[in-house]
Amino acid sequence: AQSVTQPDIHITVSEGASLELRCNYSYGATPYLFWYVQSPGQGLQLLLKYFSGDTLVQGIKGFEAEFKRSQSSFNLRKPSVHWSDAAEYFCAVGASDGATNKLIFGTGTLLAVQP
Amino acid sequence: EAGVAQSPRYKIIEKRQSVAFWCNPISGHATLYWYQQILGQGPKLLIQFQNNGVVDDSQLPKDRFSAERLKGVDSTLKIQPAKLEDSAVYLCASSLRADNSNQPQHFGDGTRLSIL
Repeated sequence: AQSVTQPDIHITVSEGASLELRCNYSYGATPYLFWYVQSPGQGLQLLLKYFSGDTLVQGIKGFEAEFKRSQSSFNLRKPSVHWSDAAEYFCAVGASDGATNKLIFGTGTLLAVQP
Repeated sequence: EAGVAQSPRYKIIEKRQSVAFWCNPISGHATLYWYQQILGQGPKLLIQFQNNGVVDDSQLPKDRFSAERLKGVDSTLKIQPAKLEDSAVYLCASSLRADNSNQPQHFGDGTRLSIL
């Protein structure tokens, strides 16, 4: 069965420090992978997605993620965190049977940024 | 481009009462999704529509939850009667089409439901 694991429930980083959020997936075929961010009281905003090709994908707000098939991972990175990046981050895998298409989410990582 | 619109933003009801949520997807998006997000968890798909037809409702508790998308645009999700465990944020999302996993889904701000 498809699943997504985000091993870190909560992470705190200092403003200006680098960030890496971990994501591992389980999926039988080539996965379509997504990272979403959710600010308090708001819906999910798409940061970036991986479908095929270059395994390093660039997203909005200076984020990037690297797909590593051998490790079943899709970790999110940012070289320098800003206070406005404090939010909850969700990794998701797209599961399709040709007729339906759903996202399977991890449990999220809550990011706190300290001055 | 206008995003996915949802209302109400917040709703508080007592258990055993009924409640309904409304969603208007992005114009031209054929596929509409309802997700349930319980506190501390990621969103879980409840139901998926392609135009006005249901394509996946395997995770919908059909004894109390119902949803419709009569004209292939707006959708409503109803809970009757509500239970304490239904307290969650209900997110609506839409995408252009559903026959390919690479279609990104665009989310509304959600409705936060509290059951007393």
